[in-house]
Amino acid sequence: AQRVTQPEKLLSVFKGAPVELKCNYSYSGSPELFWYVQYSRQRLQLLLRHISRESIKGFTADLNKGETSFHLKKPFAQEEDSAMYYCALNPFTGGGADGLTFGKGTHLIIQP
Amino acid sequence: EPEVTQTPSHQVTQMGQEVILRCVPISNHLYFYWYRQILGQKVEFLVSFYNNEISEKSEIFDDQFSVERPDGSNFTLKIRSTKLEDSAMYFCASSVGGFNQPQHFGDGTRLSIL
Repeated sequence: AQRVTQPEKLLSVFKGAPVELKCNYSYSGSPELFWYVQYSRQRLQLLLRHISRESIKGFTADLNKGETSFHLKKPFAQEEDSAMYYCALNPFTGGGADGLTFGKGTHLIIQP
Repeated sequence: EPEVTQTPSHQVTQMGQEVILRCVPISNHLYFYWYRQILGQKVEFLVSFYNNEISEKSEIFDDQFSVERPDGSNFTLKIRSTKLEDSAMYFCASSVGGFNQPQHFGDGTRLSIL
């Protein structure tokens, strides 16, 4: 079975500092990895997915298959980045409607 | 931008009672999902639904649970004979397709079992 690990429950950085939220996964196949964000009192929103290789709100994430990691990075944190961040894995078992496996989430706090 | 909508936002039910949580997926989406998040724990997959039948389900989704798409817009999760440990946030999600398509989530229903 697949697993997603986010080792940091809470991460606090100052505005303007670089941010890295860690995500490691275990899965024997070739998964798709996502980052979802949940701002205060809002729904889970897709932030980015590894397959699209885009930068959203200044965030990037690179899939490292050797290290089985998908860390989320931003060079200069902004106060509006404060939120819960969840790493998620889609196993692509072939059924077409696979459920996502989530990590426990990291609460990012950007201090002014 | 179209959104997944869930009702009610908060449901309080006595233990042993049945509860139905409702979701309206995004209109052109074909795949539907239910997840739950017990307080302080991770979001967990329950079930996915496609072409009017269950596509995948987790170990959590036992005989106590059922899903239905009673009409062209609603997608429901029924929990029979609720238990205290069913208290959680329940999220509905939908996607256009299966592979390579992101899932869009609703705001969730907070279910409290007394």
